Amino acid sequence: GAGVSQSPRYKVAKRGQDVALRCDPISGHVSLFWYQQALGQGPEFLTYFQNEAQLDKSGLPSDRFFAERPEGSVSTLKIQRTQQEDSAVYLCASSSTGTLSYNEQFFGPGTRLTVL
Amino acid sequence: SQQGEEDPQALSIQEGENATMNCSYKTSINNLQWYRQNSGRGLVHLILIRSNEREKHSGRLRVTLDTSKKSSSLLITASRAADTASYFCATPSGYSTLTFGKGTMLLVSP
Repeated sequence: GAGVSQSPRYKVAKRGQDVALRCDPISGHVSLFWYQQALGQGPEFLTYFQNEAQLDKSGLPSDRFFAERPEGSVSTLKIQRTQQEDSAVYLCASSSTGTLSYNEQFFGPGTRLTVL
Repeated sequence: SQQGEEDPQALSIQEGENATMNCSYKTSINNLQWYRQNSGRGLVHLILIRSNEREKHSGRLRVTLDTSKKSSSLLITASRAADTASYFCATPSGYSTLTFGKGTMLLVSP
C-alpha cells in the first residue's frame, strides 16, 4: 500500500516568504508527527497530532511555525516569514496507534527547505 | 535536545564484516528503537526492543539493551554495500513522540 507522502520534495524560498509543506499519512493512521532534521543531525520533534487534535506542539521553534490537521488525515506545516535557520529537511511520520503507545513510526521522504 | 547519543559518529568497513554501533540515553524508557536513513528510502524503522528484553534479532540485525547502563547496541552481521546509511537510535518521549540521537554514518565498501 501507499506510504507517507510529502510535497513538495524540495522548496527554495527567499527570506521572509511564507511556505506550506504538506503531508499525506498512511490511510487510517491516528497519529501524525512533524520533525525537523538539520544537516548531519538526527530528526528533532516539532509537533504531534492524534486525529485532528494537536496534542503537543512543544517542539515548534517559534510562533512563525504553525501546523494543522483539520480532518484528521492530511496535515500542513506552515512557516511564516522564513529565515535562513529554517533551512532543513522537514519529515512527517504517522503511526497506527495513539497516545503513549510508542510504536513504529512510518516516515515520509521529507521536504528539503532551503531559505536564501 | 537529543536524548540518545550514537557511537561511533562514523564507521567504515568492508563488505562481509560486522558493524557495531552503540547508543546511550539519559532517562528511563519503556522501549528503544533503531532506524536507518539513506537517500533512497528515507528514514525506515528497523527494530524495537522493549525495556524487559535484553536482546532481539531480526535477520542480520541484533540489538541489545542494558537498562542499568542506559545503553543499546546494534550489530549488523555480514554487511553489504546496501547497508550504507545513517543509523539512529530513538527513545520515546512526550505523548508518543521519539527523540533521536545524532546517528552513526556507516559506509560499507565492496
